[in-house]
Formats: sequence, structure tokens, C-alpha cells
Amino acid sequence: DGGITQSPKYLFRKEGQNVTLSCEQNLNHDAMYWYRQDPGQGLRLIYYSQIVNDFQKGDIAEGYSVSREKKESFPLTVTSAQKNPTAFYLCASSMAGWGGNSNQPQHFGDGTRLSIL
Amino acid sequence: GENVEQHPSTLSVQEGDSAVIKCTYSDSASNYFPWYKQELGKRPQLIIDIRSNVGEKKDQRIAVTLNKTAKHFSLHITETQPEDSAVYFCAAPHNQAGTALIFGKGTTLSVSS
Repeated sequence: DGGITQSPKYLFRKEGQNVTLSCEQNLNHDAMYWYRQDPGQGLRLIYYSQIVNDFQKGDIAEGYSVSREKKESFPLTVTSAQKNPTAFYLCASSMAGWGGNSNQPQHFGDGTRLSIL
Repeated sequence: GENVEQHPSTLSVQEGDSAVIKCTYSDSASNYFPWYKQELGKRPQLIIDIRSNVGEKKDQRIAVTLNKTAKHFSLHITETQPEDSAVYFCAAPHNQAGTALIFGKGTTLSVSS
């Protein structure tokens, strides 16, 4: 799915530092999502955005922040308040559904692997 | 909210055998169930999905079945090949987070030749 680009591929965070993960899509999708993946945990929802200029907290939002100023972009900031940031971060997007088909297939980026220095 | 349980966590088969992975969900209102395949260090890729208005969907060697009464759905892979080795995730609508999904914890499938 070359339509979603995440960068960087690897990122290292120092103590007390905020870091920002980039996610850009050219699929013209309205909805975008951030998931965190830990070994044996599956994917857990951090934040989601159904439309530009709007976003909501997911299940594990503490220590993270996002913005959605452009339809194509949904950057994730991992703040110093996130005490265990080491994980694989995946961004996804989907078309807006309608009626009983509100859920549409989600397409993922290649992910960013974040580690603590 | 929705809760998804996936079994087994690991599955080893011989090449040519069939593999079955099962997921259960809790919210009877859920109506969309995708399956993703993730190779080591790569992105999850959608391999098949099913909506609640059908009971089964096939795509070559892959099929998904849905039992709405029992609230479970299963992935069936026939004639397995070594390249089927990966982690497989099931998912269902989160139902409390817009169109986000909630995922099972994954099944590591190993196909030996």
C-alpha cells in the first residue's frame, strides 16, 4: 500500500524528549488512525481522526498527542509523559463509510520503530 | 465496547495442510470483520474481510466464515505454503471510536516444508 508513508523508519528518544512521528497519505481518505504494537499485544488504538481538524483519543492516548490540520497528514507526538514508549507505531487510513457500511478497509503504513536511548 | 479474542496464539502446520484461526467478538452490533497478515517487521496487509450480511467469503486458498449467533468468525487457509508463515490478526469495529478497529492479539503461523 504505497499510499501511506511513515517516517522515520527508526527513531530513538532521549529522556525528557518529545519526538514526532510523521504519517502522510495520498489515498484521499478521510479517516486516519494511530496504533501501537507491542509483542504479543496486537494493535492498540492511540488516536483517531474521522475528518480533518478533528481527532479523538483512543484506548491508550496518555502521553501522546496528534494534530490533523491537513487531510493528508496525521502526525503523532510521543511526549516525555509516555514512560514506556518503546514499540512499533503504525498509522492507517480508510475511506469514510456510509450507513451500515461505516467500516471500510484500513490501509497501513510501514511503521516507525521507536526506542529509548 | 467491543472485545476480540483470538486463538490459537501459535499454530504450526506442514506444507499442504489446512490452518484455521478463530476469533470471537462480544458486540452483536459489529458488522465488519477483516483479517490481516503481517510478515516480520512489515506492515499489516488486509487479506480478506467479511460483512455480517454473508456467512462465508472465499478468495483462492483463503476463506472466512462468520457465525453471528455464536459471535465468532474464522480464517481458513488451505494447501498451506511456506510463504503463508506470518502473524495473522483478526479485527472487529471498535464501536466506541468512530471507524477504528479493535484487534485480536494475533496468531503466529509457521508452515514447514
